[in-house]
Amino acid sequence: SQQGEEDPQALSIQEGENATMNCSYKTSINNLQWYRQNSGRGLVHLILIRSNEREKHSGRLRVTLDTSKKSSSLLITASRAADTASYFCATPSMNYGGSQGNLIFGKGTKLSVKP
Amino acid sequence: KAGVTQTPRYLIKTRGQQVTLSCSPISGHRSVSWYQQTPGQGLQFLFEYFSETQRNKGNFPGRFSGRQFSNSRSEMNVSTLELGDSALYLCASRHDRGSYEQYFGPGTRLTVT
Repeated sequence: SQQGEEDPQALSIQEGENATMNCSYKTSINNLQWYRQNSGRGLVHLILIRSNEREKHSGRLRVTLDTSKKSSSLLITASRAADTASYFCATPSMNYGGSQGNLIFGKGTKLSVKP
Repeated sequence: KAGVTQTPRYLIKTRGQQVTLSCSPISGHRSVSWYQQTPGQGLQFLFEYFSETQRNKGNFPGRFSGRQFSNSRSEMNVSTLELGDSALYLCASRHDRGSYEQYFGPGTRLTVT
């Protein structure tokens, strides 16, 4: 079952613009992660935010987490053509005794950045 | 450090056959997880191995199995292949000592005809 649901499903912007993707999840979490996937290849970990954090930055990435609304957002500032990829939020399933090795992914946002 | 490697990268099999996929984690990582990615179902957790033991299993039929060796390398096996098993199979490793980030391999693209 899908834990996270990203919104929008697809996003097309021009280079230099900002891109915002949202993620909602269903159960309580201890952390939420964002991953990027380039065209059917492996996923790359971007950033992790813990449940007691509200905002986190990493380079051009900014992630927010609102546990009361069970939602997170990923902002990519000053986007580049190389940012074109699918972006997924993921949370560890709490069905497995708290093990962190079993992530539940949303369906992803497909971002296209045009030069 | 070398990243997570998966072999083979591409595989074509026919219905009813079985297949074994291999994953070598990052050196020092003891946790290996497997995921299936399809256009319809997205990314779904298959299983996680730690210290040669299956720690968790996702909601997949018994045709899907796996194992982990003492060097942390892992294999997954799918028996009696069905058309719906066509997917990208991703392996991810994690250090497991208080770290949550998973490091993914490039995946094995399995096509069942």
